[in-house]
Amino acid sequence: GENVEQHPSTLSVQEGDSAVIKCTYSDSASNYFPWYKQELGKRPQLIIDIRSNVGEKKDQRIAVTLNKTAKHFSLHITETQPEDSAVYFCAASKGSSNTGKLIFGQGTTLQVKP
Amino acid sequence: ETGVTQTPRHLVMGMTNKKSLKCEQHLGHNAMYWYKQSAKKPLELMFVYSLEERVENNSVPSRFSPECPNSSHLFLHLHTLQPEDSALYLCASSQSRGDQPQHFGDGTRLSIL
Repeated sequence: GENVEQHPSTLSVQEGDSAVIKCTYSDSASNYFPWYKQELGKRPQLIIDIRSNVGEKKDQRIAVTLNKTAKHFSLHITETQPEDSAVYFCAASKGSSNTGKLIFGQGTTLQVKP
Repeated sequence: ETGVTQTPRHLVMGMTNKKSLKCEQHLGHNAMYWYKQSAKKPLELMFVYSLEERVENNSVPSRFSPECPNSSHLFLHLHTLQPEDSALYLCASSQSRGDQPQHFGDGTRLSIL
């Protein structure tokens, strides 16, 4: 069935360093890939998304890259700050579907040390 | 952001109780979702409603019963739950297309005694 694998499960970096989280999806028909950030005790919040007609998207310190051939996409956070500490989830869905069914990865706990 | 509101925030119930979770969205969306979030597991999609019609039931046990009376409200009726059903239950909404972002509520933390 549809599956999204996310790595690593935990990531610890020093403030100012970069962090990279990678996801692989199984359904080649997937064409929408959002990333969510969930701080402790709070709701998941969309931080960036990418559609399959684009290879890369950037928003300030956050960027996402997509490799459709290899069926993987990555989140890049540069100049990390302590407030970036949270759990990050990737997801994939088929944009042509009208149900909006998102398949989520297992999550990555990012810790940014001051 | 208060676009998606869930009540109650916390719920403790016995296995024989009946309770309901409520979700309301003020974003003009026409699709709503229930997710289960357990420790060490990815977000699990439970139900999807599009234009008030259930379009997805992800093999969820019948002790969970969803209801969507209109595009702004979603309920999850609970009956005879098991301890393994203890989790955070998240509601989300979006436009009824697969390539639109979903907006989540704060969730209901459910504990089954």
